[in-house]
Amino acid sequence: NAGVTQTPKFRILKIGQSMTLQCTQDMNHNYMYWYRQDPGMGLKLIYYSVGAGITDKGEVPNGYNVSRSTTEDFPLRLELAAPSQTSVYFCASSQGGTQPQHFGDGTRLSIL
Amino acid sequence: AQSVSQHNHHVILSEAASLELGCNYSYGGTVNLFWYVQYPGQHLQLLLKYFSGDPLVKGIKGFEAEFIKSKFSFNLRKPSVQWSDTAEYFCAVNGGPDKLIFGTGTRLQVFP
Repeated sequence: NAGVTQTPKFRILKIGQSMTLQCTQDMNHNYMYWYRQDPGMGLKLIYYSVGAGITDKGEVPNGYNVSRSTTEDFPLRLELAAPSQTSVYFCASSQGGTQPQHFGDGTRLSIL
Repeated sequence: AQSVSQHNHHVILSEAASLELGCNYSYGGTVNLFWYVQYPGQHLQLLLKYFSGDPLVKGIKGFEAEFIKSKFSFNLRKPSVQWSDTAEYFCAVNGGPDKLIFGTGTRLQVFP
């Protein structure tokens, strides 16, 4: 069982570059989430989706965009990378909004 | 607004010591509560969850948590910790129908 798969695992970007973090799940979960994790700050919700075609902002959406064209995929896009976006990014999915979330292995992103 | 507080930011124990990590939440509706564990370099994994019923919940690896509604608490306990329990522990509560709110985490270090 693959579960939640994130790519890439590591990436270094220059300021101003753009990139897409990929997330796919094979559990047929309707709910998907993107978090960033910074030391001592816990998990901050960036964006989430309750189903294909539906996305909503979380706590820290500025500088990011998402789309949800299929149930399986939930990519996160950084348009103009800034040093403040250096972080570890986790994608998660769940069967329902109050159900346990299943996490991917994360993407460690550094912006220099 | 919904919130989760984990007051212990860093806990250091010797093997065989007992563990209790605090978690307090604020949420006006029906609560679903979770504890997740993140081992070094890994993603978050579910330790245990409380939805309803017996307020004493048993999870994996000998962990348990007690939901005390009057205190808005869901503390995590383990009678005897092992070196392999070294990790970061996150408490979470449903923040409405669509998402979870995570605490800032407690880093546990267990020395042999």
